[in-house]
Amino acid sequence: EDKVVQSPLSLVVHEGDTVTLNCSYEVTNFRSLLWYKQEKKAPTFLFMLTSSGIEKKSGRLSSILDKKELFSILNITATQTGDSAIYLCAVGGSNYKLTFGKGTLLTVNP
Amino acid sequence: EAQVTQNPRYLITVTGKKLTVTCSQNMNHEYMSWYRQDPGLGLRQIYYSMNVEVTDKGDVPEGYKVSRKEKRNFPLILESPSPNQTSLYFCASSFTGGAGILTEAFFGQGTRLTVV
Repeated sequence: EDKVVQSPLSLVVHEGDTVTLNCSYEVTNFRSLLWYKQEKKAPTFLFMLTSSGIEKKSGRLSSILDKKELFSILNITATQTGDSAIYLCAVGGSNYKLTFGKGTLLTVNP
Repeated sequence: EAQVTQNPRYLITVTGKKLTVTCSQNMNHEYMSWYRQDPGLGLRQIYYSMNVEVTDKGDVPEGYKVSRKEKRNFPLILESPSPNQTSLYFCASSFTGGAGILTEAFFGQGTRLTVV
């Protein structure tokens, strides 16, 4: 059975801090790993990673995948209160099946 | 505007009364999927479809049916809803890239279903 584990489950930081969110997986025939941000409603796409060791960046957010050790990290630097959300990791495996982790709830306090 | 549209957004129903939640996308995506989201359990996949007339079970398919007769629509059917199907439901769609890769998924706004 495919499995995606995110850690920590929740995290409280102050504005300006840097955070690292973790995602480890056991998936049959790995195809891609995707990160999403979910505020009050639907998840919104952040990154898709398919190759090991190549960092994807968007502003203060970045992510990298390690296919040998089966994990990915999402970094957020200089956090802002608007970064408060649930961050979801999902892994695509065989037959286009997509498995999500339970998410990390990030709270950024002013 | 590219979007995935779910209806209804909110629904309260009684046990055993058949219901359908509709999902439509305007991006010509091959792949569509249904998820339920419950506190502490995250997003769990119910069913997915790789193209018209091609569907497969996700992790929690029991009590649900789907159909994909047209590329843009992927309705979720609860033939006999029960209280344990009370949840927040999301529909999503995406292109399928080469080599079996799922690209970015676009999500609908969610349907909050309560079964009493």
